[in-house]
Amino acid sequence: NAGVTQTPKFQVLKTGQSMTLQCAQDMNHEYMSWYRQDPGMGLRLIHYSVGAGITDQGEVPNGYNVSRSTTEDFPLRLLSAAPSQTSVYFCASSSDRGGQETQYFGPGTRLLVL
Amino acid sequence: AQKITQTQPGMFVQEKEAVTLDCTYDTSDQSYGLFWYKQPSSGEMIFLIYQGSYDEQNATEGRYSLNFQKARKSANLVISASQLGDSAMYFCAMREPPFTSGTYKYIFGTGTRLKVLA
Repeated sequence: NAGVTQTPKFQVLKTGQSMTLQCAQDMNHEYMSWYRQDPGMGLRLIHYSVGAGITDQGEVPNGYNVSRSTTEDFPLRLLSAAPSQTSVYFCASSSDRGGQETQYFGPGTRLLVL
Repeated sequence: AQKITQTQPGMFVQEKEAVTLDCTYDTSDQSYGLFWYKQPSSGEMIFLIYQGSYDEQNATEGRYSLNFQKARKSANLVISASQLGDSAMYFCAMREPPFTSGTYKYIFGTGTRLKVLA
């Protein structure tokens, strides 16, 4: 199993540009999430999905769109990049099987918006 | 609203000694899960340990143990016999139960940076 994969690893954008951060998992997990990590603020939830075709907003959704057409993929779209979106982005997946099922994280995408 | 608080931005510990990283949480739910993750300088998030709210015993995983005090709403991570490789950022997180909120979200604290001294 590859687990959770993210591409690209690093990206530089100019203000106003758009891009899509890719996330895929091969564990057949129902739940997928996107977080951003900023210094001193921990991980903040952007959007999440509880299954194909179902998405919802997290704590900081503005400026981002998501879709979930398949169980495996959960791309994050930046519509018009702003310097405030400079951050490290993590995708995660998990399964509602009860017990101690935890989130599995991708390696992260480091985004710099100039 | 649910909240996770980690009050120690940074901690130092001598190699081979034990260290406790604090975590308090706030929730009105009776059923929840508590997690600790390690983030080394390389950036990946590594799951360390889990404690369910109904678990009567404190969770342990090798050198990691979770000091769970439900009444005080605290879930402190104890690392025994610290090693240089334990130097990292540590995050406490809580999972909402899916069957009450219809969601399945994790809430993270702001983290504690641990430095192990040789």
